[in-house]
Amino acid sequence: GQNIDQPTEMTATEGAIVQINCTYQTSGFNGLFWYQQHAGEAPTFLSYNVLDGLEEKGRFSSFLSRSKGYSYLLLKELQMKDSASYLCAVSIINTGTASKLTFGTGTRLQVTL
Amino acid sequence: ETGVTQSPTHLIKTRGQQVTLRCSSQSGHNTVSWYQQALGQGPQFIFQYYREEENGRGNFPPRFSGLQFPNYSSELNVNALELDDSALYLCASSLQGSGNTIYFGEGSWLTVV
Repeated sequence: GQNIDQPTEMTATEGAIVQINCTYQTSGFNGLFWYQQHAGEAPTFLSYNVLDGLEEKGRFSSFLSRSKGYSYLLLKELQMKDSASYLCAVSIINTGTASKLTFGTGTRLQVTL
Repeated sequence: ETGVTQSPTHLIKTRGQQVTLRCSSQSGHNTVSWYQQALGQGPQFIFQYYREEENGRGNFPPRFSGLQFPNYSSELNVNALELDDSALYLCASSLQGSGNTIYFGEGSWLTVV
């Protein structure tokens, strides 16, 4: 089966750096996504990793190690607006070339003053 | 703005009723996937449509059905609504074979009373 684990909640201070970890056990791995979801809203795309290593995009970076089944999302220079849930999702080959996403339960990040 | 639009945004139904949710995919995207997100959980894959046919299904009963039209837009139908069907229903559009382009619409909030 598919299993994705991430911490339920995290708290960090404005201006700080926070790392949200995600471990997964899946078959048919086709990439890993991170999404941000504010309360009452739909998920918005943050990053995609399919090869090992670090992808940097502004204040957000995402890392993947396929051999370890591990990823992290790094948020720098935290702002109050970064308070949200962060969803780790593994893309799995569905049928043929189609992919589907399997999500973790999300990490609720609270940024404080 | 992801270019994926869903309607209606909010609706309330009574147990036993039927509901139809609609999704217009991003221009150029030929695949539509539907997800159910219960409160405090990550989204769960319902099914995917490609070339107007179901292309993979998650662990949902047959009363969850769908359609895809020639313009790639899609419908999700749920019959015999149950209280546990109350959730955010998300539509994601993507392009077959392009693993990193999966974008979500704003979602449809369904409350079953």
